Amino acid sequence: NAGVMQNPRHLVRRRGQEARLRCSPMKGHSHVYWYRQLPEEGLKFMVYLQKENIIDESGMPKERFSAEFPKEGPSILRIQQVVRGDSAAYFCASSQYGQGSVGNTIYFGEGSWLTVV
Amino acid sequence: GNSVTQMEGPVTLSEEAFLTINCTYTATGYPSLFWYVQYPGEGLQLLLKATKADDKGSNKGFEATYRKETTSFHLEKGSVQVSDSAVYFCALSDQGGGADGLTFGKGTHLIIQP
Repeated sequence: NAGVMQNPRHLVRRRGQEARLRCSPMKGHSHVYWYRQLPEEGLKFMVYLQKENIIDESGMPKERFSAEFPKEGPSILRIQQVVRGDSAAYFCASSQYGQGSVGNTIYFGEGSWLTVV
Repeated sequence: GNSVTQMEGPVTLSEEAFLTINCTYTATGYPSLFWYVQYPGEGLQLLLKATKADDKGSNKGFEATYRKETTSFHLEKGSVQVSDSAVYFCALSDQGGGADGLTFGKGTHLIIQP
């Protein structure tokens, strides 16, 4: 019973390159969330997706960041033209039910650590 | 908006000591409350949760009680071990229909010394 799978675990990019982070939710989960953890800080919500739809992207930076969750395949968080400030741990999470469901539990992947040099 | 405040760390204790990590929250509606644990170099693992007032979540000797009157969800353990050293995050999920995911505290780094 695989959990939330993220890859790559560690990614190094030079400034100006693109970073793509992938997330496969737990089996049976159709709701995916991305969070960012900056050094010495807690997790900050970025985006919430359901299959083929972005439900809430209120935490996403307005530029350079995008996310998708296609009908087939993993969810992708894409960061274009990375800058040093993008260096962080990016966590994907999934749930069986949507937000607002009583007792809905969100399960996290092990994270992808992005380092921009 | 929603917010979670937890005690600043690091918290350093000796093995077998009693642990309390304070957590208070502000939320609209009736949130579910969670404690997550993050071991070094790993992702977050759900430690325990409570979905309504007076519920007690428990796991691995840890427990926390959902106190609506004090808007708190303090984490406790009677006798900590070195292996409990990790960062602990208190979080809430707004059941009012908001789609902004979990709201996390900043985390409390716990260090247990042998």
